Amino acid sequence: GAGVSQSPSNKVTEKGKDVELRCDPISGHTALYWYRQSLGQGLEFLIYFQGNSAPDKSGLPSDRFSAERTGGSVSTLTIQRTQQEDSAVYLCASSFQGGDYGYTFGSGTRLTVV
Amino acid sequence: GQSLEQPSEVTAVEGAIVQINCTYQTSGFYGLSWYQQHDGGAPTFLSYNALDGLEETGRFSSFLSRSDSYGYLLLQELQMKDSASYFCAVRADYGQNFVFGPGTRLSVLP
Repeated sequence: GAGVSQSPSNKVTEKGKDVELRCDPISGHTALYWYRQSLGQGLEFLIYFQGNSAPDKSGLPSDRFSAERTGGSVSTLTIQRTQQEDSAVYLCASSFQGGDYGYTFGSGTRLTVV
Repeated sequence: GQSLEQPSEVTAVEGAIVQINCTYQTSGFYGLSWYQQHDGGAPTFLSYNALDGLEETGRFSSFLSRSDSYGYLLLQELQMKDSASYFCAVRADYGQNFVFGPGTRLSVLP
């Protein structure tokens, strides 16, 4: 596609429920990233996929968080047993090989846990 | 660990020049990027410096000094639309994962 597409754009969920967030990167981009941004804060790295290599999961805050990328394209970030502190905007980005030429970010999913 | 520091807020008037600084302490260094983010929007890529010196792109310039672990974003001829948050980001290892700074909120006044 022309840009990075994320869905849903907004998600309100009850504490304890599981949620899935989807990211459709730019076609041909080999690298895909998930970041989290709390209100007025910086971007917190979560996970990074590059081609067929094992993902870098070093930023996942707990084992309730997981992500997969199918066929080197679409990625899903899953949060199990959501907690109120999970409320944030979840941003997906993709890049061609390295990020030296910049990431292209999606518009994000605003997750609110009530 | 990795840490980046930026001023939290900067205010300037239309037409002025403003410099947003970024200092970093990272385990390694391969390059420094800058991103702009308007309220409610996605971050957009502005520049990338891998080598020392100044890179100019229109009204925006970015500078890097690897020996000082320091860089800055220079915005000239400020416009109201430049009001946004600006993030520096460091590529700290050979992978393509960038570590982002806390962001600087720029307010441009008429």
